[in-house]
Amino acid sequence: AQRVTQPEKLLSVFKGAPVELKCNYSYSGSPELFWYVQYSRQRLQLLLRHISRESIKGFTADLNKGETSFHLKKPFAQEEDSAMYYCALSGGGSARQLTFGSGTQLTVLP
Amino acid sequence: DAGVTQSPTHLIKTRGQHVTLRCSPISGHKSVSWYQQVLGQGPQFIFQYYEKEERGRGNFPDRFSARQFPNYSSELNVNALLLGDSALYLCASSFDFQGRNSPLHFGNGTRLTVT
Repeated sequence: AQRVTQPEKLLSVFKGAPVELKCNYSYSGSPELFWYVQYSRQRLQLLLRHISRESIKGFTADLNKGETSFHLKKPFAQEEDSAMYYCALSGGGSARQLTFGSGTQLTVLP
Repeated sequence: DAGVTQSPTHLIKTRGQHVTLRCSPISGHKSVSWYQQVLGQGPQFIFQYYEKEERGRGNFPDRFSARQFPNYSSELNVNALLLGDSALYLCASSFDFQGRNSPLHFGNGTRLTVT
């Protein structure tokens, strides 16, 4: 069975401070990991995925297979980063099935 | 830019009734997936359809069913509604069913309330 754990439901940081949203997963094979973001009154959208190894809006995430983690990081948080963030895992196979964590609500304070 | 569209946006039903939710994918996308999001939790996978065939099914009872039409739109049907079926139902589309080069694009969802 595959599982995604986001231990923090709420996270507050001040503008300009570093931010790290934690994500741990359990999966026996080679997973694909994603971060999705939902800004206020907007639809869920892909932020980044580990296979592309890119930085989006200053966010990065490294897949650590040893620690089974995929933490999302940004060195300097901005107020517009305030949103709900979901970590998600795809176990591959023929179905594009994502297993989501329960989400972390990030608030960046002025 | 027309994204994934879902209808209706809100729905109130009574226990035991049946409901049909509809989804139109982004033009050119051939795969549609359905997710259930209960308040305070992340989305949970229900179904994936590609080229009108079911390609994946999550851990949901047989009361839940879906289909995909030749124009790639989709319907999610839920029979014998329970209070616990109250949730936001999300539809997502992608170009193919593997998705490695085509991420999921989500709609705004249908908010179902069962009383």
